[in-house]
Amino acid sequence: DAGVIQSPRHEVTEMGQEVTLRCKPISGHNSLFWYRQTMMRGLELLIYFNNNVPIDDSGMPEDRFSAKMPNASFSTLKIQPSEPRDSAVYFCASLVTSGNTIYFGEGSWLTVV
Amino acid sequence: SQKIEQNSEALNIQEGKTATLTCNYTNYSPAYLQWYRQDPGRGPVFLLLIRENEKEKRKERLKVTFDTTLKQSLFHITASQPADSATYLCALSEKLTFGTGTRLTIIP
Repeated sequence: DAGVIQSPRHEVTEMGQEVTLRCKPISGHNSLFWYRQTMMRGLELLIYFNNNVPIDDSGMPEDRFSAKMPNASFSTLKIQPSEPRDSAVYFCASLVTSGNTIYFGEGSWLTVV
Repeated sequence: SQKIEQNSEALNIQEGKTATLTCNYTNYSPAYLQWYRQDPGRGPVFLLLIRENEKEKRKERLKVTFDTTLKQSLFHITASQPADSATYLCALSEKLTFGTGTRLTIIP
């Protein structure tokens, strides 16, 4: 199994630009999570989906952030417009609902200048 | 307010000794608690899960305890090796909430 696949691995963008991060969960996993990690705040849950449906988006910082899961094998996290304070590592993770172990991708390192 | 605290940001331990990391939480009632390892530039990797009705769990050189009265979990690495150097994160079952992690360095 290829594991959770995220793209891009690194992105540098200018303030005000739209950023789209992509995730392919492990096949057969029906829960998907987006986390953000910074030195100051650690690993924060932004949103999670179960069977492609957003269950809890209370961690999404503001309206500039949006996430979609159009099918079981693909999700996007979009930031529009981006700001320097959005600079962080964004992790996607997936889980079999009957299990407890989250599998993380390698992260997307975002720098907004 | 709800909080998860890991005892220290960084911990240095001599090779061969036991490393003990602490995870304390307040205003949560987790059904289980997990420990993950994160290497620089990588995503966290699952190590162990312990349920609320379990006192202790072991896996090779790793041992986890869970005290729901104290609201605390301890994570032990025995016979520590330089390859154990990493950041270790605890996570609660409630919304899979993570602590900020402890950066462990094993000194040869």
